[in-house]
Amino acid sequence: DAGVIQSPRHEVTEMGQEVTLRCKPISGHNSLFWYRQTMMRGLELLIYFNNNVPIDDSGMPEDRFSAKMPNASFSTLKIQPSEPRDSAVYFCASTRTGSYGYTFGSGTRLTVV
Amino acid sequence: AQSVTQPDIHITVSEGASLELRCNYSYGATPYLFWYVQSPGQGLQLLLKYFSGDTLVQGIKGFEAEFKRSQSSFNLRKPSVHWSDAAEYFCAVADGNQGGKLIFGQGTELSVKP
Repeated sequence: DAGVIQSPRHEVTEMGQEVTLRCKPISGHNSLFWYRQTMMRGLELLIYFNNNVPIDDSGMPEDRFSAKMPNASFSTLKIQPSEPRDSAVYFCASTRTGSYGYTFGSGTRLTVV
Repeated sequence: AQSVTQPDIHITVSEGASLELRCNYSYGATPYLFWYVQSPGQGLQLLLKYFSGDTLVQGIKGFEAEFKRSQSSFNLRKPSVHWSDAAEYFCAVADGNQGGKLIFGQGTELSVKP
């Protein structure tokens, strides 16, 4: 099992550009979570999906952020337009619903200049 | 709403010494509790979890944690720390009715002195 796969590992972009982060969950896991990690705010849950359906997006900071899960094996987190304050490490995690045994990806380090 | 507090931002221990990392939670019912570890540049790895039953749970890498309802605590312990244990440790709580949503504490960074 390759684990949760995130791409890219690092992204540097200019303010105002669109950024798309990608996640492939573990096969058979039907819950997927997007977290953001910063020094100031720690780990924040942005959104999570059960069976490809968004369940709770209350953590999405503003309309510039959007997330999709078109199928069980792929999810994207998009920021448009990006701002310097979006700089953070973005983690994707997956699990079987009700299991709580999250498996985290290695994260995408986003820098917006 | 659930919350998790890790009172210690940074702890330094000597290699071979014992370790205890503190975690306090706020939750009305019996919580599901977790400890994760994050090495630099890596994602989080599950060390152990508590759902019910025996209040002392064993995890990977020689870690254990004890659930104390009266103190709303779930402290992580290790009898003898190794240099490779240097990392950041996160306590988390889940609400069984929230479909697996985890709320994390702010983390405790552990440094190990030779």
